[in-house]
Amino acid sequence: KQEVTQIPAALSVPEGENLVLNCSFTDSAIYNLQWFRQDPGKGLTSLLLIQSSQREQTSGRLNASLDKSSGRSTLYIAASQPGDSATYLCVVGGGADGLTFGKGTHLIIQP
Amino acid sequence: DTEVTQTPKHLVMGMTNKKSLKCEQHMGHRAMYWYKQKAKKPPELMFVYSYEKLSINESVPSRFSPECPNSSLLNLHLHALQPEDSALYLCASSQGFLDYEQYFGPGTRLTVT
Repeated sequence: KQEVTQIPAALSVPEGENLVLNCSFTDSAIYNLQWFRQDPGKGLTSLLLIQSSQREQTSGRLNASLDKSSGRSTLYIAASQPGDSATYLCVVGGGADGLTFGKGTHLIIQP
Repeated sequence: DTEVTQTPKHLVMGMTNKKSLKCEQHMGHRAMYWYKQKAKKPPELMFVYSYEKLSINESVPSRFSPECPNSSLLNLHLHALQPEDSALYLCASSQGFLDYEQYFGPGTRLTVT
């Protein structure tokens, strides 16, 4: 059964810092990996999708990498802003488990 | 239009009521999903429809009854719910089953009294 772990569970940093969120998964037979952000009480906003054949994806200040063989993905946020404060979810897709969500990293960017 | 809409935004119902949640997308997506999310927890998959057929049912109690009348619409019928069913219910859609980017709606906040 696929398991997805996100480290750290919570993170608080000053505005302007670059930061890395980590995601690891136990079964490397995945179709894709997706990073979402969720604001309190709201739905999920897709940030980046990485197909199993890809190594990374970039969107603006965000960069996500995927290393299937080691079962790891990272989300890099450059020049963090208070508006980046949210919970970030790593979601692994594929196999008999369908979709597996990590428990999220709760990020606070201090002004 | 890259939006998934959900109605209502909030719903309060008693344990004997019957209500329905509605989800709609007009992106031509052929897979649609229902998730349940409790506070400070990740979403849990409930149901997946692919080409209007139920493809995954994650052992959800029968008091939750999904329906996919057409490729754009997904309903979740609720009956005889329990207070522990109070949660945020999220709908999502994707172009294909499992293999594509998912678009999520804003959710329905359900409170069972």
